[in-house]
Amino acid sequence: NAGVTQTPKFQVLKTGQSMTLQCAQDMNHEYMSWYRQDPGMGLRLIHYSVGAGITDQGEVPNGYNVSRSTTEDFPLRLLSAAPSQTSVYFCASRSPGHTEAFFGQGTRLTVV
Amino acid sequence: QQQVKQSPQSLIVQKGGISIINCAYENTAFDYFPWYQQFPGKGPALLIAIRPDVSEKKEGRFTISFNKSAKQFSLHIMDSQPGDSATYFCAAGVNFNKFYFGSGTKLNVKP
Repeated sequence: NAGVTQTPKFQVLKTGQSMTLQCAQDMNHEYMSWYRQDPGMGLRLIHYSVGAGITDQGEVPNGYNVSRSTTEDFPLRLLSAAPSQTSVYFCASRSPGHTEAFFGQGTRLTVV
Repeated sequence: QQQVKQSPQSLIVQKGGISIINCAYENTAFDYFPWYQQFPGKGPALLIAIRPDVSEKKEGRFTISFNKSAKQFSLHIMDSQPGDSATYFCAAGVNFNKFYFGSGTKLNVKP
């Protein structure tokens, strides 16, 4: 029972590089979301999806793209990494019939 | 502008004591208020949650008190244990999709 799986766990990028943070869940949850966690700021919603093919912006969407082609996967793309995107990124999923969101273990991203 | 304000930033409590963490919000459209617990290197996990039509909810040693008129809610941890040492986040959301989190409280329960 894997739950929410995020890869990679750690990543170092150079400014201007692009990369994709992967998130997969095996609970058949329709709702998925991406957060970033920064010291003293809690978690901030980047993008979320209420089902395959449907995405919407959260609180801090600039610099990030998402797509949702399947129920299981919700990748987060950084097109041109900036030092301000250094953070810990969490993916979460939830069933529409339940209020509890399940979080992955996070991806620690450093942009130098 | 932070939608949910959380205090204190850190808290030290003796074993057996009561830990109290407070949160305040402005947006009256919020209809769901969860608390999350996070251990180092792990993702947050739902601890307890409340809806605005209820003033208090208790689950074991954890209690949420909710004051709708003051737009405040708090987490009380009774008989705090060293295993409760973690970072706690309050949150508020609308329709369970867009959640706004507080800045977190790092709790240290001393044996």
